Amino acid sequence: DADVTQTPRNRITKTGKRIMLECSQTKGHDRMYWYRQDPGLGLRLIYYSFDVKDINKGEISDGYSVSRQAQAKFSLSLESAIPNQTALYFCATSSRGAKGYNEQFFGPGTRLTVL
Amino acid sequence: QKEVEQNSGPLSVPEGAIASLNCTYSDRGSQSFFWYRQYSGKSPELIMSIYSNGDKEDGRFTAQLNKASQYVSLLIRDSQPSDSATYLCAVSLKAAGNKLTFGGGTRVLVKP
Repeated sequence: DADVTQTPRNRITKTGKRIMLECSQTKGHDRMYWYRQDPGLGLRLIYYSFDVKDINKGEISDGYSVSRQAQAKFSLSLESAIPNQTALYFCATSSRGAKGYNEQFFGPGTRLTVL
Repeated sequence: QKEVEQNSGPLSVPEGAIASLNCTYSDRGSQSFFWYRQYSGKSPELIMSIYSNGDKEDGRFTAQLNKASQYVSLLIRDSQPSDSATYLCAVSLKAAGNKLTFGGGTRVLVKP
């Protein structure tokens, strides 16, 4: 089945460490997204990429960076992790549907804890 | 005012009953509307999409859209314990590159 995968699934790290979260997809979609989810705050967009050469900041990009290595791969980095970056992180993909780029499909998530 | 608002719940419904979830949005230019189901600790799963005013039915789910009143709703008929989850409303605005804006979600509990 075409799928969205994320690695690692769980990660515990210390304040100040650099960490990378990786996302791969076999759906053939051109758009990819990174979200974080915090209790009571819902899903918030960190970065999104329309294709390999097009990367855009979302609503909460400070403290994060991304790399789109290929159409199928989109990585999220925390250059110097801090405790308030503890959250559940999701990667998502989308492709043009009948009404444009709308329906997004999510990976299984990475639970990140920063001590 | 939040861009997409949902009652956080929990919405408690007896098994076999209809669960009714509501979502309001602030941007009149919004064009596409989605409902995602999310089980605790899992990723959101797309269950319904709706683009035009009116009703759209898929199995036990019905989405209703009223653009004039800026709300979208989800009905779950014959609710089952397996429907217990958080339901996220998401809205897409073409002028914003079709990015999704999510509501905070409504937690639904179906009691046997």
